Amino acid sequence: SQKIEQNSEALNIQEGKTATLTCNYTNYSPAYLQWYRQDPGRGPVFLLLIRENEKEKRKERLKVTFDTTLKQSLFHITASQPADSATYLCALDQAGTALIFGKGTTLSVSS
Amino acid sequence: GAGVSQTPSNKVTEKGKYVELRCDPISGHTALYWYRQSLGQGPEFLIYFQGTGAADDSGLPNDRFFAVRPEGSVSTLKIQRTERGDSAVYLCASSHATHEQFFGPGTRLTVL
Repeated sequence: SQKIEQNSEALNIQEGKTATLTCNYTNYSPAYLQWYRQDPGRGPVFLLLIRENEKEKRKERLKVTFDTTLKQSLFHITASQPADSATYLCALDQAGTALIFGKGTTLSVSS
Repeated sequence: GAGVSQTPSNKVTEKGKYVELRCDPISGHTALYWYRQSLGQGPEFLIYFQGTGAADDSGLPNDRFFAVRPEGSVSTLKIQRTERGDSAVYLCASSHATHEQFFGPGTRLTVL
């Protein structure tokens, strides 16, 4: 069966550390993979998109990797700040269709 | 410019009633998506419009759910004979010529 999993429901780290979130999937062949941030009571906000032929993508303190052999994406936030505390959602994008979201990982960054 | 807006922000109804949820996408966005999000879960796809037509409605859970987008802009999600299991946050998103989707704040539906 098709599954998309984010490694943990919650991740607690200290300010300044690097947060690493994992997204694994089975029985999908996404052309793209997207990451969104969601704050309580709000809709998801787009962060990054990575294509299947890209290994890594960066944007400011964010870095995403995409390994289509392992069927895994890693999402890193370097020099984390309390303002980074939110739920992060990975989403499979099979091109031309709606997104398939994971459950999300709730990140808490303590000062 | 304005983002995606959804009305109402909250809707409380009784089991068996009919509800309509509205989505105003970003002006000029041709693609419009409806998702449903339950507590602790990611958004779950319901239906996708390209222009006025439903390009993919495979996520609608049953025939009590229906959505329209008559002029290719505003969309309405309609739920008949609501059930307690329909309680969730209903999210709308729009996009245009990119894969990035812009989400509204959602409508929280509570069926008593």
